[in-house]
Amino acid sequence: DAKTTQPPSMDCAEGRAANLPCNHSTISGNEYVYWYRQIHSQGPQYIIHGLKNNETNEMASLIITEDRKSSTLILPHATLRDTAVYYCIVARQGAQKLVFGQGTRLTINP
Amino acid sequence: NAGVMQNPRHLVRRRGQEARLRCSPMKGHSHVYWYRQLPEEGLKFMVYLQKENIIDESGMPKERFSAEFPKEGPSILRIQQVVRGDSAAYFCASSPERRGETQYFGPGTRLLVL
Repeated sequence: DAKTTQPPSMDCAEGRAANLPCNHSTISGNEYVYWYRQIHSQGPQYIIHGLKNNETNEMASLIITEDRKSSTLILPHATLRDTAVYYCIVARQGAQKLVFGQGTRLTINP
Repeated sequence: NAGVMQNPRHLVRRRGQEARLRCSPMKGHSHVYWYRQLPEEGLKFMVYLQKENIIDESGMPKERFSAEFPKEGPSILRIQQVVRGDSAAYFCASSPERRGETQYFGPGTRLLVL
C-alpha cells in the first residue's frame, strides 16, 4: 500500500472550515483514499473515502487532485467535538489491512 | 443497529497471566480485524479473520498471541503469559460479507499489565 504524509498537527477555530492535507504521491490506480479519525480514547471512526472524484457526505468533503497525488479532507463547520487525530490511508477497496500512519492531530479552538 | 462491541473495555493482568479480549462484529458482518495501538503510537494491523478461518495473521507476534472467530459467538484475541510490553489498546473492526466494504471499529479494550 502507498505511503501517506500528513502534517503532525493543525489548529482551527470553531465554526470555521478545517482543511486537512494529505500527500500520497505513490498511489496506484486501484487504490482509494480513506479518512478515519480517532477521538481521544475511542476507536477509529470512518469518515469518507474516494478514488478520483470528489466526495461529500454528512461528515465531510474529500477533494482529490487530478493526478491523485494529494487530497484534502474538509470539515465545513468545525466544532469542538471534531478535535481528534485524523488519519489519511491509501488502500485498495476492501483491503484486508489498513496501514495507519501518525495522522494529523487537529485541535478546534473556541 | 448496534456497532462493533468489545469487552471488557478495560482489563488488568499481572505478568504471566492470560488475557482474553472479545469482539462482536456489527450485525451482518462476517469479517473481523484486530489492531493494536501501543501508547503514543498509531494502530498496527494484527490479524484478519472470517468465520472459522484466519485469513491474514501477518501482524501477529509469533508467540503467545492467537485469534479465533468461531461459527457461533464473538471473535477472541488471546494473549498468553502477558508481559508489560503487551499493555496497549486493542481494537477490533468488522466489515460485511461483500468485498469492498469499509471497516468499522469498536471502542477498544485497554489492557494494562502490571
